[in-house]
Amino acid sequence: GEDVEQSLFLSVREGDSSVINCTYTDSSSTYLYWYKQEPGAGLQLLTYIFSNMDMKQDQRLTVLLNKKDKHLSLRIADTQTGDSAIYFCAESFINNAGNMLTFGGGTRLMVKP
Amino acid sequence: DVKVTQSSRYLVKRTGEKVFLECVQDMDHENMFWYRQDPGLGLRLIYFSYDVKMKEKGDIPEGYSVSREKKERFSLILESASTNQTSMYLCASSTLRTDFPTNEKLFFGSGTQLSVL
Repeated sequence: GEDVEQSLFLSVREGDSSVINCTYTDSSSTYLYWYKQEPGAGLQLLTYIFSNMDMKQDQRLTVLLNKKDKHLSLRIADTQTGDSAIYFCAESFINNAGNMLTFGGGTRLMVKP
Repeated sequence: DVKVTQSSRYLVKRTGEKVFLECVQDMDHENMFWYRQDPGLGLRLIYFSYDVKMKEKGDIPEGYSVSREKKERFSLILESASTNQTSMYLCASSTLRTDFPTNEKLFFGSGTQLSVL
């Protein structure tokens, strides 16, 4: 079945770059996603990448996709304390009911002042 | 903006009680989902619904049921709560009618932290 894995925790200093990594198993995924969950809140879609792309940049965020190795990463430049949150990667797959998402376990990013 | 509202932020229940978790979305979305979130396990899908009165089992449906009598409301029911159902429960919705590239963009509620004692 589908499986998405992430490391549990990452700690960086304010102003440094953060890189959160994710591996997935479903090579037929059309899109891969990064969701952000701030304390006490639900998940919010942060960014996504189409599976035929290698890289996508959106302001401080850079998503890298290595489809051969089924590896996805999220780089946050100039990390701020407000970036402290749990980051979930997700891949899409299709079942009888349509498109569904499988989430990784989440990476807790802690940004130290 | 899409709003997904979960009726309770925190709930404390006793083992064996029947528990209702309510979720309402205000954007006429067809699809609604219930996930549970546990540390290190991420989000696991319990049930989802793609239309009124329609429901499908997710990855971990045991011990749960759902009800979708109206399009905007999706209820998660624990018939007889057990301590291993202590968790954060997240409701989400999505729509097929979207300018997003796919219909997989999920909008989440803030979650209900359920403790079963």
